[in-house]
Amino acid sequence: KQEVTQIPAALSVPEGENLVLNCSFTDSAIYNLQWFRQDPGKGLTSLLLIQSSQREQTSGRLNASLDKSSGRSTLYIAASQPGDSATYLCAPGGTYKYIFGTGTRLKVLA
Amino acid sequence: NAGVTQTPKFRVLKTGQSMTLLCAQDMNHEYMYWYRQDPGMGLRLIHYSVGEGTTAKGEVPDGYNVSRLKKQNFLLGLESAAPSQTSVYFCASSPDDRGYGYTFGSGTRLTVV
Repeated sequence: KQEVTQIPAALSVPEGENLVLNCSFTDSAIYNLQWFRQDPGKGLTSLLLIQSSQREQTSGRLNASLDKSSGRSTLYIAASQPGDSATYLCAPGGTYKYIFGTGTRLKVLA
Repeated sequence: NAGVTQTPKFRVLKTGQSMTLLCAQDMNHEYMYWYRQDPGMGLRLIHYSVGEGTTAKGEVPDGYNVSRLKKQNFLLGLESAAPSQTSVYFCASSPDDRGYGYTFGSGTRLTVV
């Protein structure tokens, strides 16, 4: 059974810092992996999707890497802003079904 | 552009009562999903559908039923609510099985007393 661990569980940083959020998973037989953002009281928004054949994916200030063989993914956030404050969830998946981690709760201080 | 709409947003039920949660999407997506989110547990898949008229069990299906009579709607039913079903329920949809375009609703907070 796939198990997903995200470290750290919570993080508070001053504005402008570069951040790394970590995700590890136990079953490397995945089709792809998504990183989602969840704002309080809201649904999830997909940030990045990495196919199992890819090593990384970039969108603006976000960069996600995937090492499928070791069961690890990282989300790198450059020059963090207060608007980045949210919970970030990692979800390795087999086609359309995903197993979610419990997330990293990020607070960026102005 | 509404995306995925869930109704109701909040509900309190007494143990043993029944209710239906409605999910509607306007993106013509084939796949739809129901998840529940509990503190410290992450999101867990309850049921899903890969097209109109189809449903399948996810990770935690017990105590729930679903129907997908129309492509745009996915209903989640609780026949006899239990306190263990207190949770936040999220509906999601995607156009196909590749994972792109995975879109979530804003959730329904259900409390069973």
